[in-house]
Amino acid sequence: AQSVTQLDSHVSVSEGTPVLLRCNYSSSYSPSLFWYVQHPNKGLQLLLKYTSAATLVKGINGFEAEFKKSETSFHLTKPSAHMSDAAEYFCVVRSSAGANSKLTFGKGITLSVRP
Amino acid sequence: DAGITQSPRHKVTETGTPVTLRCHQTENHRYMYWYRQDPGHGLRLIHYSYGVKDTDKGEVSDGYSVSRSKTEDFLLTLESATSSQTSVYFCAISSLAGGNNEQFFGPGTRLTVL
Repeated sequence: AQSVTQLDSHVSVSEGTPVLLRCNYSSSYSPSLFWYVQHPNKGLQLLLKYTSAATLVKGINGFEAEFKKSETSFHLTKPSAHMSDAAEYFCVVRSSAGANSKLTFGKGITLSVRP
Repeated sequence: DAGITQSPRHKVTETGTPVTLRCHQTENHRYMYWYRQDPGHGLRLIHYSYGVKDTDKGEVSDGYSVSRSKTEDFLLTLESATSSQTSVYFCAISSLAGGNNEQFFGPGTRLTVL
């Protein structure tokens, strides 16, 4: 079984300040983890993914995430928020390597960026 | 959007009518998926396909059927639409499944059932 918890449904930051979007997961096996971003009225775009090669994963647009197995977390961070970062962010887990394994999505975090 | 189109992009229909949504890809990817997105639920898998004529159910498949007669097209049908099926529907594709292989998403179809 697998699940994702995004405790914050909405995060608001000022432009130029750090961003922290939290994600905790539950997985029976070694998980694959992803962060997707969805801008208003758009589809989902992959920000980054954990591949087990490194615990600190760098993604597009200055975002990064750190895999912490002991805390079952995969928090998304960015040093300095831009107005264009305002969007909805989804943490996603897949708990097995099998061809029929499924993605499980968190409920999403809406990020607002204040001028 | 990685060579994925969805049609229609918006549709308003009445309860009890059949509705078919189309996903078309130009990437020649083997795997295709239909999700629905509802506030507070993230995305939930409806059905998926792992090849032409090969499909399987996801976690919220009741009231939906799918067909895939060609690699590039994956159709989602609501046999008799209900108000609970008002949602935004996303198609996704991937060349490989499992592990850390990501899925690529289409632009979505907003369906309203009155």
